[in-house]
Amino acid sequence: AQTVTQSQPEMSVQEAETVTLSCTYDTSESDYYLFWYKQPPSRQMILVIRQEAYKQQNATENRFSVNFQKAAKSFSLKISDSQLGDAAMYFCAYPLNSGGGADGLTFGKGTHLIIQP
Amino acid sequence: GAVVSQHPSRVICKSGTSVKIECRSLDFQATTMFWYRQFPKQSLMLMATSNEGSKATYEQGVEKDKFLINHASLTLSTLTVTSAHPEDSSFYICSAPPSGGYRGETQYFGPGTRLLVL
Repeated sequence: AQTVTQSQPEMSVQEAETVTLSCTYDTSESDYYLFWYKQPPSRQMILVIRQEAYKQQNATENRFSVNFQKAAKSFSLKISDSQLGDAAMYFCAYPLNSGGGADGLTFGKGTHLIIQP
Repeated sequence: GAVVSQHPSRVICKSGTSVKIECRSLDFQATTMFWYRQFPKQSLMLMATSNEGSKATYEQGVEKDKFLINHASLTLSTLTVTSAHPEDSSFYICSAPPSGGYRGETQYFGPGTRLLVL
């Protein structure tokens, strides 16, 4: 079964600095997808970034980028130039294998990111 | 981007009553929707997959008779918590993939429904 591990319950960073959130996962699949979602205090889940495992290039979305290391099963999220609006819970997620079609997600326990002004 | 709504945003009910939560895709059709539960300070846990035109698929440990799911149309899925008890109090979130559903497709989430059972 696929599992997702986030080992940092909480991280703190100064505004405008860079922070990296870690995520490791376990799977026997060779082709898959990985996601980072953020959940601000409003509790609305928002997609941050998506990575396709067969792509060598790390996904990037503006200030957000990932360091995807397939062999190590590691999928860390780097946030550059941190802003106050980045304060949220960040969840790493992996699609559950239902055998076909769309899959629900299994999430890590999350990392609470605090931005210090 | 794709928009998913939920109603109500919060509900308080007495123990033993049933509560219905609606999940709607506003600008796309969703043949599949997902229901999650999130307890305070915890992660999201997938409860079930809602399929338009067929029965829902429940994750292990989720009681089918307690959490009734009906995918009435291509834009609406409902979750009914039957005979609710205080331990059912939680934050319920739905999600849907906007392109019909394929493995790895991005899902868009509703804003969630906070259920408090007294």
